[in-house]
Amino acid sequence: GENVEQHPSTLSVQEGDSAVIKCTYSDSASNYFPWYKQELGKRPQLIIDIRSNVGEKKDQRIAVTLNKTAKHFSLHITETQPEDSAVYFCAAKATDSWGKFQFGAGTQVVVTP
Amino acid sequence: GAGVSQSPRYKVAKRGQDVALRCDPISGHVSLFWYQQALGQGPEFLTYFQNEAQLDKSGLPSDRFFAERPEGSVSTLKIQRTQQEDSAVYLCASSFPGQGFSEQYFGPGTRLTVT
Repeated sequence: GENVEQHPSTLSVQEGDSAVIKCTYSDSASNYFPWYKQELGKRPQLIIDIRSNVGEKKDQRIAVTLNKTAKHFSLHITETQPEDSAVYFCAAKATDSWGKFQFGAGTQVVVTP
Repeated sequence: GAGVSQSPRYKVAKRGQDVALRCDPISGHVSLFWYQQALGQGPEFLTYFQNEAQLDKSGLPSDRFFAERPEGSVSTLKIQRTQQEDSAVYLCASSFPGQGFSEQYFGPGTRLTVT
């Protein structure tokens, strides 16, 4: 089955700097990779996703890159702000399946002013 | 429109008690998932429904865990004879239709504490 590893587990950055979170997956059938942001005590919310036919996707300060050959994908946050502080989860899924996601263990991002 | 809702938001149970956790998915969403999230960890899959059919329950940790969705909308996760290791946040998510590139919408979770 799918196994998703996520690094680092914690990440402290100065406001304005960039943050990068990396995930690797094992199932070569995986072709959909969403990223979720979870603030303390709140539900996970989708912030960006990427499909396997695309190598990079950007949405304002957030970008995701995918390397299918190496089976890894990364989240990039530029110009970080204090409100970016949260736990970020990557996930992977094979879209020919009914939808079982495998999640990474999460990265606690702390942005200090 | 309304998102996924869960109740109760917090539940404290004494070891050995039975609990029932409710999930109201987004109206019209075919797929419903239950996850268990331990402190500092990502969501771990428990079980999946497509309408009223439970298609996968491979993630349920023991036969003390039981889930149902009798009418294909509201779902209940029941835990019998709760143990301390059951303490976690239980997340429900729904999507339409489930296959393909469909986003999962999460509920706020139920935080279960077993004392």
